[in-house]
Amino acid sequence: AQKVTQAQTEISVVEKEDVTLDCVYETRDTTYYLFWYKQPPSGELVFLIRRNSFDEQNEISGRYSWNFQKSTSSFNFTITASQVVDSAVYFCALSEGSDGGTSYGKLTFGQGTILTVHP
Amino acid sequence: SQTIHQWPATLVQPVGSPLSLECTVEGTSNPNLYWYRQAAGRGLQLLFYSVGIGQISSEVPQNLSASRPQDRQFILSSKKLLLSDSGFYLCAWSGFREGYGYTFGSGTRLTVV
Repeated sequence: AQKVTQAQTEISVVEKEDVTLDCVYETRDTTYYLFWYKQPPSGELVFLIRRNSFDEQNEISGRYSWNFQKSTSSFNFTITASQVVDSAVYFCALSEGSDGGTSYGKLTFGQGTILTVHP
Repeated sequence: SQTIHQWPATLVQPVGSPLSLECTVEGTSNPNLYWYRQAAGRGLQLLFYSVGIGQISSEVPQNLSASRPQDRQFILSSKKLLLSDSGFYLCAWSGFREGYGYTFGSGTRLTVV
């Protein structure tokens, strides 16, 4: 069974600090996809990034960066110079891999990390 | 471009009353559709998913049911609401192939009183 663990329940930082959100996953599939979503106070889930299991290259997008390490089954998310607008719940998720072409793309979510950035 | 619509945004219903939440997708054909619930707290629980008209898979036994009467319409229902049905309900769609990820609707906040 697939599993995603976000061990950090809540993180509180002061604006301009860097913060890393941890994500550890478990899967038996060789092909899988990892995601990060942001849920601001409004409730809607916002897609941040998708990474497939064959691409371990780290990615940077503005103040956001992601570190994917298959050796440790981790897909961590770092926000550099955090801002108050970054306050949200962040979810890491894992998609089932191919299953004879019948995969339905179901996502398994972690429990989420509540990030609060104080001014 | 693809869009997903979910309504209503908020709902307060008495215990024992029926429920109907609707979700529609535009700009795509034969999407995979999903209903998630987020109880007070953080976790997202997959309730139902559908890969085609009339095809519904239930992930968790509960007081709810889902239907897909049209290709891009997904409905979450209950005949009699329980207090434990309160939560934030999210509809989502994805392309057929794995790895496409989900696009979520704006959610419905349901309070059963």
